[in-house]
Amino acid sequence: EAGVTQFPSHSVIEKGQTVTLRCDPISGHDNLYWYRRVMGKEIKFLLHFVKESKQDESGMPNNRFLAERTGGTYSTLKVQPAELEDSGVYFCASRPSDREVEAFFGQGTRLTVV
Amino acid sequence: DAKTTQPTSMDCAEGRAANLPCNHSTISGNEYVYWYRQIHSQGPQYIIHGLKNNETNEMASLIITEDRKSSTLILPHATLRDTAVYYCIVKRSGGYQKVTFGTGTKLQVIP
Repeated sequence: EAGVTQFPSHSVIEKGQTVTLRCDPISGHDNLYWYRRVMGKEIKFLLHFVKESKQDESGMPNNRFLAERTGGTYSTLKVQPAELEDSGVYFCASRPSDREVEAFFGQGTRLTVV
Repeated sequence: DAKTTQPTSMDCAEGRAANLPCNHSTISGNEYVYWYRQIHSQGPQYIIHGLKNNETNEMASLIITEDRKSSTLILPHATLRDTAVYYCIVKRSGGYQKVTFGTGTKLQVIP
């Protein structure tokens, strides 16, 4: 069974540019989560999808961040325009709805804004 | 969610048991103790969780004090691949994933 896959693994962009991160959850997992660790800080929750619907987006830092999950499969997280403080590692995780298990995490995308 | 306190770092000799403590004095009755780890350049990985009874699985054992204010994760025979940051989290059951991972304990397994 393939795990949670994130693309790209690394991204370096200039301040003001746009970046889109992608997450492919484990097949069949309705729940998809985004987290991030900005430099020197803790890993924090950003938002939660159930299928294509946003269940909880209370952790999204501001309106420069837009997450989508069209069709309830893969998800994208767009940062527009990127700022220096957005640098960090963005993690995606997924879990099924039909079993009481913990989420499975992807390897993360390291974003560097210069 | 209740906050947790963990030592910043620990060393453990390869083959010996690694005992990682966690304090969670403000844990509430419906909150579980979860342990994750993050090996360098990977995403967090679930290890084990418990409510009030001690738990054991193929990866580790979890000892929770009777008052539930602290717990210890035990890796019975640490290997070099167990070198990682270990996070203790207190939260509701598995369906609830809106958490902050804290600073964790950096475990260094030494040959």
